[in-house]
Amino acid sequence: DTAVSQTPKYLVTQMGNDKSIKCEQNLGHDTMYWYKQDSKKFLKIMFSYNNKELIINETVPNRFSPKSPDKAHLNLHINSLELGDSAVYFCASSQNSGLVSETQYFGPGTRLLVL
Amino acid sequence: DAKTTQPNSMESNEEEPVHLPCNHSTISGTDYIHWYRQLPSQGPEYVIHGLTSNVNNRMASLAIAEDRKSSTLILHRATLRDAAVYYCILGLGNTGKLIFGQGTTLQVKP
Repeated sequence: DTAVSQTPKYLVTQMGNDKSIKCEQNLGHDTMYWYKQDSKKFLKIMFSYNNKELIINETVPNRFSPKSPDKAHLNLHINSLELGDSAVYFCASSQNSGLVSETQYFGPGTRLLVL
Repeated sequence: DAKTTQPNSMESNEEEPVHLPCNHSTISGTDYIHWYRQLPSQGPEYVIHGLTSNVNNRMASLAIAEDRKSSTLILHRATLRDAAVYYCILGLGNTGKLIFGQGTTLQVKP
């Protein structure tokens, strides 16, 4: 069983479209995250949720909206997609309250290409 | 701003030890040092982390300088499967965020 799964794995879309990426973890963890990895492989935190409550909200355009229907799921909705949104998006989870001493478990990534 | 500095790339021979350095001179007292690695087309994978003392686990060892401004990830016997990008990361104690460095691409030669 995959611990942290993301769908879709690949997403190719046109500028201006709205798309969603889904993430699910079956580890029973309380905290989930979204990261963005750009073309230079630089990874940056976008959001984190603890038990469906938003904890970290980085300086991200408000076209990006995370939604956590329950603590096992954290989805990322992106409105009005732009070329610069092309990247690999990773979901991750950690066991408790997102302390920096905790291990994070990453999903396989969603490769988004905006044309 | 908290950040880490790593060499862009390193090479190693199979079966030999590898020492991956990282500088983090802006580290504060409550920040953790984490290492993750990323194999091609996969998500990052946890390797090891520590606060002040050296740490060992089945994957690697982490040597932390006394002033905590640098650390070294040690792979005791590199295998071809260890070829990956290794990220040195600060876990910020005041915000809960992991701040990734630019990573070191490790190439392992047979």
